Amino acid sequence: DAMVIQNPRYQVTQFGKPVTLSCSQTLNHNVMYWYQQKSSQAPKLLFHYYDKDFNNEADTPDNFQSRRPNTSFCFLDIRSPGLGDAAMYLCATSGSRETQYFGPGTRLLVL
Amino acid sequence: AQSVTQLGSHVSVSEGALVLLRCNYSSSVPPYLFWYVQYPNQGLQLLLKYTTGATLVKGINGFEAEFKKSETSFHLTKPSAHMSDAAEYFCAVSVDTDKLIFGTGTRLQVFP
Repeated sequence: DAMVIQNPRYQVTQFGKPVTLSCSQTLNHNVMYWYQQKSSQAPKLLFHYYDKDFNNEADTPDNFQSRRPNTSFCFLDIRSPGLGDAAMYLCATSGSRETQYFGPGTRLLVL
Repeated sequence: AQSVTQLGSHVSVSEGALVLLRCNYSSSVPPYLFWYVQYPNQGLQLLLKYTTGATLVKGINGFEAEFKKSETSFHLTKPSAHMSDAAEYFCAVSVDTDKLIFGTGTRLQVFP
């Protein structure tokens, strides 16, 4: 089945230690998104790619970076995680102003 | 600017009772409207969407929603709640962009 895959599902890192979360898709969608979701809140868009065109939200901290080496893969890099970065990170894809399809998420714990 | 308001952060119903989750939006142009469901420690799953055409939209798991332009609403309903419907529900709007504007979510509890 076509889908959005996120690995790992749970990630534990240490304060200040760089961490990378990955997302892949088999839907061949040209738009990919990264969201941060904290407990009992709506997802917050960090950035998105339209093909290779990177779009950063104005309030996304510089500590968060992203890479999209090809259509299928997208990575979220957190350069120096703080305790406040502990959250669920959701990847989503869409075919341009159509339905966004979400992956299962990666829950990040910062010790 | 577009916005979405979900009235009631928590809704509790008995199993078998009607489910009504409210969503109002603000948009100066015709929106695309979505309802997503999120189970604990999972991603968001699309329940249904409205883009154009018929204003009553049927989705998965017996849910439906009606787009009412005059009321700027897109309320989600289900005639008879099941225990498995307990989850967080998000209403979202998309207007002329690739982005979704989410409401703050409604947590549905279903009691036996």
